[in-house]
Amino acid sequence: LQMQESGPGVVKPSETLSLTCSVSGDSISGSLYFWGWIRQSPGRGLEWIGRLSQTGITDIHPALRSRATLSMDTSKNQFFLHLSSVTAADTAVYYCARLVGKLPDQWGQGTLVTVSS
Amino acid sequence: DIQMTQSPSSLSASVGDSVTITCRASQSVASNLHWHQQKPGKAPRLLIYTVSSLQTGVPSRFSGSGFGTDFTLTITSLQPEDFATYYCQQTDSSPFNFGPGTTVDIK
Repeated sequence: LQMQESGPGVVKPSETLSLTCSVSGDSISGSLYFWGWIRQSPGRGLEWIGRLSQTGITDIHPALRSRATLSMDTSKNQFFLHLSSVTAADTAVYYCARLVGKLPDQWGQGTLVTVSS
Repeated sequence: DIQMTQSPSSLSASVGDSVTITCRASQSVASNLHWHQQKPGKAPRLLIYTVSSLQTGVPSRFSGSGFGTDFTLTITSLQPEDFATYYCQQTDSSPFNFGPGTTVDIK
C-alpha cells in the first residue's frame, strides 16, 4: 500500500486548503477500511482531522467540523481534504492515512502546508 | 474531549537498556489505546494497537499494558533503530487525540 499526499505548499489566510491523497496497492472503493487525515504541527502536535468510508460514513474532529470536508473519487482511487477559512494555526504537515475503524494503521509520507500571505 | 498526557517528555538511554513510557488519559478509554513510533522527518508508524497487540513486523522487545486511564509502553533491550518519538492515541471517543509524545534519544 502506498499513499501520497499532494496539494499547494502555501495557502493564503482565509482561503481553502485542498489536499489529495492518491492510493495505490488497495482499492478505496472495495475496501473495508476508512480513509482519513491527520496533521502535525509544533504547537498542536498530532491532531486527528477526520475519516470517511466508501459507504459514506464520515467523522470529523468537532473543532474542525464547520470548516473541513472529506470526500473521495473512487474512479481515481483518491480521497480529499478541503479546509476552509484557514489561518496560521492551520500550518502543519498533513498526513493521509488508512484507518482500521478509527485507528490509522498506514500513513502517507506527509505534505507541509504553510498558511501565509 | 479526552486529554492524553505522556511521561517523561524525553529520556536518554543506551543500546541494550530497557525503557518504559507512561500514557495517561483524562477519562477512561477502556482498551482503546494505541502507540505510534515516529522517526525524524518520517511519518508515524503504528506500533501497538489495543494496548498490547503488536502491529505486523514489530519486534517482540516492544510491549504494552494498561486499561482505563493508565498505560505503559516498554522497550526491552533498546536497539539503535528504536531511538524515536513515541505517541499514544485513544480511539474511545472523538476527537481521537494523541499524546504529546516521548522522545527516546541516545545517551
